[in-house]
Amino acid sequence: NAGVTQTPKFRVLKTGQSMTLLCAQDMNHEYMYWYRQDPGMGLRLIHYSVGEGTTAKGEVPDGYNVSRLKKQNFLLGLESAAPSQTSVYFCASSPDGPYTGELFFGEGSRLTVL
Amino acid sequence: KNEVEQSPQNLTAQEGEFITINCSYSVGISALHWLQQHPGGGIVSLFMLSSGKKKHGRLIATINIQEKHSSLHITASHPRDSAVYICAVLIQGAQKLVFGQGTRLTINP
Repeated sequence: NAGVTQTPKFRVLKTGQSMTLLCAQDMNHEYMYWYRQDPGMGLRLIHYSVGEGTTAKGEVPDGYNVSRLKKQNFLLGLESAAPSQTSVYFCASSPDGPYTGELFFGEGSRLTVL
Repeated sequence: KNEVEQSPQNLTAQEGEFITINCSYSVGISALHWLQQHPGGGIVSLFMLSSGKKKHGRLIATINIQEKHSSLHITASHPRDSAVYICAVLIQGAQKLVFGQGTRLTINP
């Protein structure tokens, strides 16, 4: 069982370049999330989605865009990467929301912006 | 002040020891999650609690809503338990999880 799969796992960008991180889940979950993890800080929510075609801003949305055109996929885009976006990005999904039970995480995507 | 505080930040113990990791929070919550992040980076959900106590194998999680405190216990610790343990709280009335900074646990053989 694949669970939650993130691609790519690693990426190095130059300032100003754009890229898209893909999160795919095969569990038919409604809720999907994008988090970033930085040293010394807890995971912070960037954007989330409560179902196909819906997205909402999280705690640190600036500089990122997202789309959920298909229920199984949640894309995170950086239009013009900045060094402050160097981080490890985690995608997660849950069946009905963070209060109903288990969260399923991807393996993480390490992004470096030079 | 962070809404979620974990202690200790780092913990080193010998194999077989009983381990306790603490999580305190300052806001009203609907639920609390304990997560494990492996050295390779992957994150696994261990427990979700809204009251009382849950047990899975050698792991026990407790929560005291009145005192705004939760603990994660590991009995008969093993080197494979070495990981970062993360507490996250669901803010009451909001679909928002706030994460602690994590506790890095190292179990030596």
